[in-house]
Amino acid sequence: GIQVEQSPPDLILQEGANSTLRCNFSDSVNNLQWFHQNPWGQLINLFYIPSGTKQNGRLSATTVATERYSLLYISSSQTTDSGVYFCAVLFGNEKLTFGTGTRLTIIP
Amino acid sequence: KAGVTQTPRYLIKTRGQQVTLSCSPISGHRSVSWYQQTPGQGLQFLFEYFSETQRNKGNFPGRFSGRQFSNSRSEMNVSTLELGDSALYLCASRQGFSNEQFFGPGTRLTVL
Repeated sequence: GIQVEQSPPDLILQEGANSTLRCNFSDSVNNLQWFHQNPWGQLINLFYIPSGTKQNGRLSATTVATERYSLLYISSSQTTDSGVYFCAVLFGNEKLTFGTGTRLTIIP
Repeated sequence: KAGVTQTPRYLIKTRGQQVTLSCSPISGHRSVSWYQQTPGQGLQFLFEYFSETQRNKGNFPGRFSGRQFSNSRSEMNVSTLELGDSALYLCASRQGFSNEQFFGPGTRLTVL
């Protein structure tokens, strides 16, 4: 099956810093999504981005489908950005396959 | 539009019991998928239902089953609970193929 790898697994930053999270996948995909898992466990949709670049406030994402990777950028980090970030891909008509996540900790 | 809702939010059961979890998708969404999240295995796909038919199934034992009703609401059932079934169970809905999936708040199941 398709493999999804995220890096780094853990990231600790000072408030105000910028960060880049990476997601590599092993095959062509129909859908790629980025999520932020809140402390209560809910997956919050950040981006639906099978290709191209999108921006939403301090967050932006880029997916280069031909090279099989996606990047999530967080600028001017805030403590509320802390949590686990997942990318997930949909290959064909099959299940959404998740990466193992990046745990981001923002220190005040 | 209301988001995906799941009930109950928390559940405590003992080994050997069975449990039923419920998921109501976003209005107009006909596909419902279920995922299990554990610290050791991460997020794993259980099954997907579309128009009352199971479309895909993950690699879980037959104790895990599900169904979807004509109003797109879905239930999943776990019989003969084991300690290892303790997990966060997440439900997601989407309109159809290759569309954005939206997740509910999850049901946290603890098996004692």
